[in-house]
Amino acid sequence: AQKITQTQPGMFVQEKEAVTLDCTYDTSDPSYGLFWYKQPSSGEMIFLIYQGSYDQQNATEGRYSLNFQKARKSANLVISASQLGDSAMYFCAMSLDTGRRALTFGSGTRLQVQP
Amino acid sequence: EPEVTQTPSHQVTQMGQEVILRCVPISNHLYFYWYRQILGQKVEFLVSFYNNEISEKSEIFDDQFSVERPDGSNFTLKIRSTKLEDSAMYFCASVLNYEQYFGPGTRLTVT
Repeated sequence: AQKITQTQPGMFVQEKEAVTLDCTYDTSDPSYGLFWYKQPSSGEMIFLIYQGSYDQQNATEGRYSLNFQKARKSANLVISASQLGDSAMYFCAMSLDTGRRALTFGSGTRLQVQP
Repeated sequence: EPEVTQTPSHQVTQMGQEVILRCVPISNHLYFYWYRQILGQKVEFLVSFYNNEISEKSEIFDDQFSVERPDGSNFTLKIRSTKLEDSAMYFCASVLNYEQYFGPGTRLTVT
C-alpha cells in the first residue's frame, strides 16, 4: 500500500519569500503520480501541480514547482514569491498508474504567510 | 472553466437517517470519486466509479454506503443509516487524464 508523509504540521514564511513544503512517499509500484492540493479556510480542494513517476523534468506551474527526487522518494512543493493568499493547508497526494486511481493524501502542512 | 458541483453545501441529519449527497462531475470526464475529510484530518478515499460500476473502494466504504450514476450527469453517494462518525466534509472529484478536479464539498453533520 502506498503512503504519504508530510512532517511539517505548520510553516511560516514572509511575504515575497520562497518556501518549501516537504513530502515523502512510499510505494513499490513503478508507475505513480504525485499531486499537491491547496485547501484554503473556505474548504475547497484546489489542484496545484502534478508529477508523473516517469517524467524526467520537475513539474512547474506558475509560482509552484515540484522538486521530484525519485531515489529519495520525495516530492517537495516549492512556492516562490509567497503571497498572503497562499496561506492555507497544503496536501501532498499520490495515486498509482497515471492518476486515475484513488488518491492517498498526507496529513497536510498549514502554511501562514506573514506580511 | 468547467467545474464539479455538489449539493447541498451543508446537510444536517439525525443519526439513523438516510442521506444522499449529489455531485455533477465535469461533462467529458470518465472517472468519478468520493472522498471524505473529518474535521481537522486528512482527506480519505471512499470509492471510485468508472463505466457505471465501482472500480475501487476503501475499507471505509462498507455496506452503509452506495454510489449511483442515475443519469448522464449526476453522481450520488448514499449513506443508508448515518452514524455520528459520518460527520465530515464529503468531496466529489472527477478526472479525464490525471488531474482530479474536486467539487466544493458537502458538509454533513449527524446529530
